[in-house]
Amino acid sequence: AQTVTQSQPEMSVQEAETVTLSCTYDTSESNYYLFWYKQPPSRQMILVIRQEAYKQQNATENRFSVNFQKAAKSFSLKISDSQLGDTAMYFCAFMTPPEYGNKLVFGAGTILRVKS
Amino acid sequence: DGGITQSPKYLFRKEGQNVTLSCEQNLNHDAMYWYRQDPGQGLRLIYYSQIVNDFQKGDIAEGYSVSREKKESFPLTVTSAQKNPTAFYLCASSPPYRPKTPLARDRGSPSSGNTIYFGEGSWLTVV
Repeated sequence: AQTVTQSQPEMSVQEAETVTLSCTYDTSESNYYLFWYKQPPSRQMILVIRQEAYKQQNATENRFSVNFQKAAKSFSLKISDSQLGDTAMYFCAFMTPPEYGNKLVFGAGTILRVKS
Repeated sequence: DGGITQSPKYLFRKEGQNVTLSCEQNLNHDAMYWYRQDPGQGLRLIYYSQIVNDFQKGDIAEGYSVSREKKESFPLTVTSAQKNPTAFYLCASSPPYRPKTPLARDRGSPSSGNTIYFGEGSWLTVV
């Protein structure tokens, strides 16, 4: 079974600084997808970034980037130039292969607070 | 606009009552999902459906039921058998799934249907 672990329940960062959220996962598959979702107080789930396991290059989306270490099964999210609007719960998620239903397995989440 | 619509936003259930949460999508997505989120916790999968007229249990299906009679719709019924239904419920969908060919798999090329999009959620409270 696939599992996702986020070891940081809460984190804080000053506005304009950089913060890294940790995520590890466990799977025996070789081809899969990893995601970071953001959930602000509105509870809307917003896709932040996606990484295909077959790609060695780390995904980036503007101020968001990942450090994907496949051998270590690690998938951390780096947020640069943090903004107050980045305050949210962040979930790391693993997508099971299609033969197992293309399901998302979520970690428990990390609450990020950006302080002015 | 294309998207996933959940209704109602807020719902109150009396003890012993069945209630149904609606989820509609106009994205032409094949797969649809229902997740439950309890306060301060991650999302847990209740049911999912990869095609019309077919669905599978997720990790916490007991006390819930679903149907998938139309591609656009995936309603979730919270039955009286669900003893602790108070939670936030999220519906999601995913683009058409195309299985990898052996050659594609060897090349490591991605399959379709590899991103999941969420609705805005429904709050269910037992009164």
